[in-house]
Amino acid sequence: GAGVSQSPRYKVAKRGQDVALRCDPISGHVSLFWYQQALGQGPEFLTYFQNEAQLDKSGLPSDRFFAERPEGSVSTLKIQRTQQEDSAVYLCASSLSDRGVSGDSPLHFGNGTRLTVT
Amino acid sequence: SQELEQSPQSLIVQEGKNLTINCTSSKTLYGLYWYKQKYGEGLIFLMMLQKGGEEKSHEKITAKLDEKKQQSSLHITASQPSHAGIYLCGADRNAGGTSYGKLTFGQGTILTVHP
Repeated sequence: GAGVSQSPRYKVAKRGQDVALRCDPISGHVSLFWYQQALGQGPEFLTYFQNEAQLDKSGLPSDRFFAERPEGSVSTLKIQRTQQEDSAVYLCASSLSDRGVSGDSPLHFGNGTRLTVT
Repeated sequence: SQELEQSPQSLIVQEGKNLTINCTSSKTLYGLYWYKQKYGEGLIFLMMLQKGGEEKSHEKITAKLDEKKQQSSLHITASQPSHAGIYLCGADRNAGGTSYGKLTFGQGTILTVHP
């Protein structure tokens, strides 16, 4: 596709429900990232995939958060037993290179999924 | 605590005015990225600076990285309503200037441009 696509755009969940957020990166992009953006804040890193391998999950806030990218393209971020503090915009980003981000291979962000936990 | 501090937090200007947004770090910046975000949308890449003293321009937007590589500024000349949005600086944590994308972002600067 032309850009990074995320679905759904908006998700309302009751506390305790499980949610799954989908990311379709730009075709051919090797690297995929998930970021969490709280209201009025900058994005914070959650996890990183190179193809299907999850190389860094140090930003995941708890073991309720799980991400996968089984075939090296589409990725899903799953949050189990959602809590109110999970309310945020979840951004997916991809980049072409497997050798890192640079001015020639910057992060391309999707429009995000706004999760509201009530 | 924020590793990157942006100032001001918000800015309201009249169309046609010049403005500057600053991004300051207590640590050396090995790669500094400027992004723009419209409300409810993703981040759009503007520019990336890597070398001390580097300056880049795109249309009416100029970004600079100081010699010590601890502060960057984004300057908009003759602002237009289309410049309105949230400007975010993001820093590469890794020495050498390339990372796999684990950027640390500032809290953002909200820019409003009145016609």
